[in-house]
Order: sequence, then C-alpha cells, then structure tokens
Amino acid sequence: DGGITQSPKYLFRKEGQNVTLSCEQNLNHDAMYWYRQDPGQGLRLIYYSQIVNDFQKGDIAEGYSVSREKKESFPLTVTSAQKNPTAFYLCASSIWTPASGANVLTFGAGSRLTVL
Amino acid sequence: AQKITQTQPGMFVQEKEAVTLDCTYDTSDPSYGLFWYKQPSSGEMIFLIYQGSYDQQNATEGRYSLNFQKARKSANLVISASQLGDSAMYFCAMRGRLTGGGNKLTFGTGTQLKVEL
Repeated sequence: DGGITQSPKYLFRKEGQNVTLSCEQNLNHDAMYWYRQDPGQGLRLIYYSQIVNDFQKGDIAEGYSVSREKKESFPLTVTSAQKNPTAFYLCASSIWTPASGANVLTFGAGSRLTVL
Repeated sequence: AQKITQTQPGMFVQEKEAVTLDCTYDTSDPSYGLFWYKQPSSGEMIFLIYQGSYDQQNATEGRYSLNFQKARKSANLVISASQLGDSAMYFCAMRGRLTGGGNKLTFGTGTQLKVEL
C-alpha cells in the first residue's frame, strides 16, 4: 500500500545533539512538507519542498534543516540551535487532485522527539 | 495573513447523535480551500473533507458534511450518527499560497471530540 513512513516513532535526545527524522513516501507525490505540533496548538509549517533539489522555509524554520535529494525522501534535521525541540513532528506529501480542486495532504504517523 | 479559529477546545456527544464542530477563518485571498482533518490518539492526520471557496454546494463525505457559510466566514464540520471511533482531535485548515509558489495549509488549534455511550 502507498503511504508515508516516518521513523523513528519515538526519539530521545540530549541537549546539544543534532537528530535526523526520516520521511519516505511511495505515493509519487512531488511536494513534501514538515510540520511541528505542540500541545494545545495546531500544526506549524517548518519546511516544504515542491521538487527534488529544491526546498523552502516555512513559518518556523529556525533551528531546522532539510534535504531533498530524492523524490521519495525528505529528512528533517533538528539542530542544537533549535531552542525548544521537544514536539511531535509530522511529515506530509501532496498532489493536486483535479476532480476536487483540492491539494490534499497525506500525512505520516509522526515522530515524537523528547529532549532530555 | 490567513487565520483559522476553532473556539471549542473540547466537545462531548452521545453515540448515534450528530455533532457540529465550529471553524471560522480569515483570509484576503479571493480563492481558497478549507479542509477538515481527524487526528486519533495514534497521531496520524486523516483527511476528512474539502470545500472550495467557489463551490456552490456544501461538501459531503459519508457521515461528514461541511456547513459552509461564506459571508460569515465559517466552515463547520457536521458529523452525523456519531460512533465511538469518532473520538479524536479534529482540525480545520485553510489552503494558502506559499511565497515560492504552491500551497500550504494553515491549521486551527483543534477540537477534542469525545463520543460517549
């Protein structure tokens, strides 16, 4: 079945360490996104990529980095510069669906990062 | 700038009854789209329903319908015949333009729905 795979599901990190969250999709979607979710808040966009070898900053990109070397993969690195990295991270991808006119995002199951 | 407001942090409904989850929005774009997503305790976001700003009719998908009132800038989700499996967090979202082209979704803060026997 097609979908988005995020790993690891749970991750613990010591302060000062960089960590990389994996996101792989087999939906043949061009666009991929990273969102951050904090308790009591909605999702906020970190980075997005509409095509291989290109990506753009979202609303809260500081302290994060990404790469898009393959269409299927969009890893997110949480660097030591991110001051409050403990959060739930969701990866998504999308394709235009002419029938509905919607740019529907398909999400992965998420990765929960805790900084000790 | 776009904004989505969900004023109900939590809602309770009895099984088999209908429930309405509120969503209001603000945007200066003449063309926009509104989405509802469900997030169970497992964490994955599940797409439920979409409404385009120029759609003449309210969107429906099975037990889900979207009560779209453009003049009032509201896009409420109606779930009919609630089931225990509907217990989850529900997010309203709006499609907006990205600086580099393409689209992004702006999310509200969500409503936690609990279905009771």
